[in-house]
Amino acid sequence: QKEVEQDPGPLSVPEGAIVSLNCTYSNSAFQYFMWYRQYSRKGPELLMYTYSSGNKEDGRFTAQVDKSSKYISLFIRDSQPSDSATYLCAMILNNAGNMLTFGGGTRLMVKP
Amino acid sequence: ETGVTQTPRHLVMGMTNKKSLKCEQHLGHNAMYWYKQSAKKPLELMFVYNFKEQTENNSVPSRFSPECPNSSHLFLHLHTLQPEDSALYLCASSQVGSGNTIYFGEGSWLTVV
Repeated sequence: QKEVEQDPGPLSVPEGAIVSLNCTYSNSAFQYFMWYRQYSRKGPELLMYTYSSGNKEDGRFTAQVDKSSKYISLFIRDSQPSDSATYLCAMILNNAGNMLTFGGGTRLMVKP
Repeated sequence: ETGVTQTPRHLVMGMTNKKSLKCEQHLGHNAMYWYKQSAKKPLELMFVYNFKEQTENNSVPSRFSPECPNSSHLFLHLHTLQPEDSALYLCASSQVGSGNTIYFGEGSWLTVV
């Protein structure tokens, strides 16, 4: 079993839709959770960073962490064609370490 | 502009060549990383440097040789690579102990022929 599971997609939605991207993980010790967006032929860029369980909102993006279920989500409201990219979840055990564990990424396509 | 600059952006090399990838971070971070990204596979951590000291070598073949002369620069020396080493090589940096957000460069696309 992979440490972090993420559906590779592709996920295709119409412009304006609400998008839900998800990751499950097996190690209950993970405490910090991140979402990265990667456009084609570019490096990943950090979108959201959350600590422990709960929600965090930034504009059209909401990150949700449910540690009891070992499940994290990224919601995108009013999706735009410019949101078309691969979304990677990542997590780390604690603030002092630097060993991120990444999911495989979900490819999202938002059609005009 | 991410604050992490990688050169070259594209590289084609033969299996007998020797080449190097270069990374420079302008963020004042104390840790730098090399990751490999292949098609349909998760990001693979290759090497970690904390305060210029290598702290992680993730079972990477010896044909990949990292060098970190200071906390702002990181190199990946390549020699006698195989076609299966063709991938996107990503450099990243972070400030350990301060949220640990990792910032990536744009990557170097490597094709081994």
